[in-house]
Amino acid sequence: EDQVTQSPEALRLQEGESSSLNCSYTVSGLRGLFWYRQDPGKGPEFLFTLYSAGEEKEKERLKATLTKKESFLHITAPKPEDSATYLCAVLGGGTGTASKLTFGTGTRLQVTL
Amino acid sequence: KAGVTQTPRYLIKTRGQQVTLSCSPISGHRSVSWYQQTPGQGLQFLFEYFSETQRNKGNFPGRFSGRQFSNSRSEMNVSTLELGDSALYLCASSLGSHLDRNSPLHFGNGTRLTVT
Repeated sequence: EDQVTQSPEALRLQEGESSSLNCSYTVSGLRGLFWYRQDPGKGPEFLFTLYSAGEEKEKERLKATLTKKESFLHITAPKPEDSATYLCAVLGGGTGTASKLTFGTGTRLQVTL
Repeated sequence: KAGVTQTPRYLIKTRGQQVTLSCSPISGHRSVSWYQQTPGQGLQFLFEYFSETQRNKGNFPGRFSGRQFSNSRSEMNVSTLELGDSALYLCASSLGSHLDRNSPLHFGNGTRLTVT
C-alpha cells in the first residue's frame, strides 16, 4: 500500500530562519510528487510537481527536491506570510498497478517575527 | 479566471439527515474530484467524475455518492449522516484526470460539514 509520511507535524520558525520539511514515501512506481500549500479555512493551493529523482523546482523562497525515497521542501529566509500547512501528495502506479494519488497529513508551519 | 467554487461554505446537520454539496470547477476543466479532510486522516479520496462519468472511487460507504452535469458542475450527496461524517469536504478540478501527473489539482475552499 502506498504511504506518505510528512515530518515534522508542526514547525515554528523565526522570520529569516531557514529550514526544511520532509515528505517520505513508499509507492509502487512513482509517477509524480506534488507539493501544496493550505491556508486556514482554504483549500490546498498547488505549488510544484516533481517527476523523478534529482529534480528540483523553485518558487520565491521555496525549493522542492526529490530523491527515490523522499522529497524536501526547503524554505529560505521565511516570512510570516509563509505560515501555512504544507501538503505532499504522491502519484503512484507502475506497470500493471492501478494509479493512486496519496496525500500526507501535512506540516503546519508557523513563522513569527 | 475564476477558481473552483464550493457551496455552501458551512453546514450543520443532524444525524440521519442527508446533505448535498455543490462544486463548480474552473472553466474548461472536465475532471472533478472530491476529498474528505479531517485532522487525523488528512485528505481522503472520495471519487472522481470526468465528462459526467464516475472514473474512480475511494473506500467510502455507499452513503457517499456524486454526480456531474454536462457543464462539469458536480454535486456530492451524503445520506443517513453519522457523527463521523463531520469534516471539511474539498472539491478539486483538473484539466485531465486527477491521476494525470501533468494535471495538478485546483481545490475549492471546501464545505465544512458538522453533524450533531
